[in-house]
Amino acid sequence: AQSVTQLDSQVPVFEEAPVELRCNYSSSVSVYLFWYVQYPNQGLQLLLKYLSGSTLVKGINGFEAEFNKSQTSFHLRKPSVHISDTAEYFCAVSDSAGGSYIPTFGRGTSLIVHP
Amino acid sequence: KAGVTQTPRYLIKTRGQQVTLSCSPISGHRSVSWYQQTPGQGLQFLFEYFSETQRNKGNFPGRFSGRQFSNSRSEMNVSTLELGDSALYLCASSPPAGRGTDTQYFGPGTRLTVL
Repeated sequence: AQSVTQLDSQVPVFEEAPVELRCNYSSSVSVYLFWYVQYPNQGLQLLLKYLSGSTLVKGINGFEAEFNKSQTSFHLRKPSVHISDTAEYFCAVSDSAGGSYIPTFGRGTSLIVHP
Repeated sequence: KAGVTQTPRYLIKTRGQQVTLSCSPISGHRSVSWYQQTPGQGLQFLFEYFSETQRNKGNFPGRFSGRQFSNSRSEMNVSTLELGDSALYLCASSPPAGRGTDTQYFGPGTRLTVL
């Protein structure tokens, strides 16, 4: 079974600073990777996903992530954050091994943007 | 298209009672998944329904059950509520495009409090 580790439970950062949220997953032959964001009192919404092809994936709201197969990582980055980016971010991974393709979610990283 | 809707948004129950939560997926989506979200355990997969059949199941006791109707609407039921069942219950629908590649579209959740 897949496992996902989000190394930081909380990341405080000042507005307009760059940010990186880290995500590592357990190894598998073929993986699909996702980042979701959850704003307060809302469900999760997709930021971006990697299925195949270019390892650099661009998503909504200026976020991007890079798939690194050798390091089994899929870190999320944004060059300049805004107050409105304050939210919980979840990394998720799914694969087709064993016939189950339900995504496994990390525990989440709380991004707190200070003015 | 309307998003995923969940009712009710908030529920307060007492130990030993049972509860039913409802989820209406995005029109055309046939897969509905349920998750339990708590601060301590993060997002945990409960079960997934596709075409009225439970296709995947997480590691939860039999007190947690669900079903899906012919219009893809889904309900989950928790019997004999325990204090530890207090959580945000999220429903997600997806248009199955391929194993593991599907984006999940989440509803806002039902906040269940067990007293």
